[in-house]
Amino acid sequence: AQSVTQLGSHVSVSEGALVLLRCNYSSSVPPYLFWYVQYPNQGLQLLLKYTTGATLVKGINGFEAEFKKSETSFHLTKPSAHMSDAAEYFCAVGRSGNTPLVFGKGTRLSVIA
Amino acid sequence: KAGVTQTPRYLIKTRGQQVTLSCSPISGHRSVSWYQQTPGQGLQFLFEYFSETQRNKGNFPGRFSGRQFSNSRSEMNVSTLELGDSALYLCASSLGQGTSYEQYFGPGTRLTVT
Repeated sequence: AQSVTQLGSHVSVSEGALVLLRCNYSSSVPPYLFWYVQYPNQGLQLLLKYTTGATLVKGINGFEAEFKKSETSFHLTKPSAHMSDAAEYFCAVGRSGNTPLVFGKGTRLSVIA
Repeated sequence: KAGVTQTPRYLIKTRGQQVTLSCSPISGHRSVSWYQQTPGQGLQFLFEYFSETQRNKGNFPGRFSGRQFSNSRSEMNVSTLELGDSALYLCASSLGQGTSYEQYFGPGTRLTVT
């Protein structure tokens, strides 16, 4: 069975500071990994995904994530936080075949002016 | 292209009633998945439909059901509502079945059971 652990339910950073949101996964087969963002009263929006190939994945809004198989991690980073980045972020794992996405519990990012 | 739409956006029901939620996928998308989002449990998978057939089902009681129509639109139904069914119900559509396809989420239906 697959699972996702997001370390820290709430992360607070200053505007302009590095954003680092942590995600560790468990999967018995090569995973597909995703980061989604959810703004208040909205659905989820895909930030980036890893399926195969390059382990450093660049997404929208300046975010990127690196798949590290040895650490079973897929941490999300952004060099410089902006006020508009304040939202909830979800890491998710999937795999080939007929299995659904499994989501982490989410990390709420606050950006302080 | 229009995004995924869900109706209604907000709903208040009483315990014991039933409710039907609707999801219209992005044009050309054939797969629709439903999720329940609550503060305590997070995002939990309900079911996935592809070509009018349920392809996958999460660990929810039989009170939760769904269907997909020939135009890929989907509905989910919850019968005999319980207080614990209060949640944001999200629908996501994708071109094909399985998680290798990107899922595009709708804004959700906020269900409150009193």
